[in-house]
Amino acid sequence: NAGVTQTPKFRVLKTGQSMTLLCAQDMNHEYMYWYRQDPGMGLRLIHYSVGEGTTAKGEVPDGYNVSRLKKQNFLLGLESAAPSQTSVYFCASSYLLNQPQHFGDGTRLSIL
Amino acid sequence: GDSVTQMEGPVTLSEEAFLTINCTYTATGYPSLFWYVQYPGEGLQLLLKATKADDKGSNKGFEATYRKETTSFHLEKGSVQVSDSAVYFCALTQGAQKLVFGQGTRLTINP
Repeated sequence: NAGVTQTPKFRVLKTGQSMTLLCAQDMNHEYMYWYRQDPGMGLRLIHYSVGEGTTAKGEVPDGYNVSRLKKQNFLLGLESAAPSQTSVYFCASSYLLNQPQHFGDGTRLSIL
Repeated sequence: GDSVTQMEGPVTLSEEAFLTINCTYTATGYPSLFWYVQYPGEGLQLLLKATKADDKGSNKGFEATYRKETTSFHLEKGSVQVSDSAVYFCALTQGAQKLVFGQGTRLTINP
């Protein structure tokens, strides 16, 4: 039972490079989320999706784009990475918007 | 908007000590309340939840009671173990609202 799987687990980028983080869930959940976690700041919602083909902005969306082409996948893109985007990124999914979320193990991203 | 406030950490205790991590919330209606735990190097896991006033959520020896009169959902455990060392997040949701998380409290248990 995989649950929520994030790839890659670690990545180092140079300023200005682009990359995509992949999140996959096998629980047939409608809702998916991307968070970033920084020391002393808890979790902040970047973008979320309420179903296949939909996306919505969260608390800190600037500098990120997302896509939900398939129900089980939610992609987070950084078009031009900046050092301020150094963080640990978590993907989560839930059956309903106000139900408990299931989290992946995170992607640790460093931007030099 | 709705918000969650947790006691600031870090919290350091000795094994077998009693644990309380305070959580208070601000919400206009009747939210559902959650505690999540994050072990080192892992994502968050749901620890327990309560969906209405006076409900008690419990799991792995942890308990929390939904107190509407004090807008609180404090996490307690009678005897902590080294394996309980983690970051604990209080959270709420209601209606069609997404989860709102507290800032997290880092707990370290020394043998």
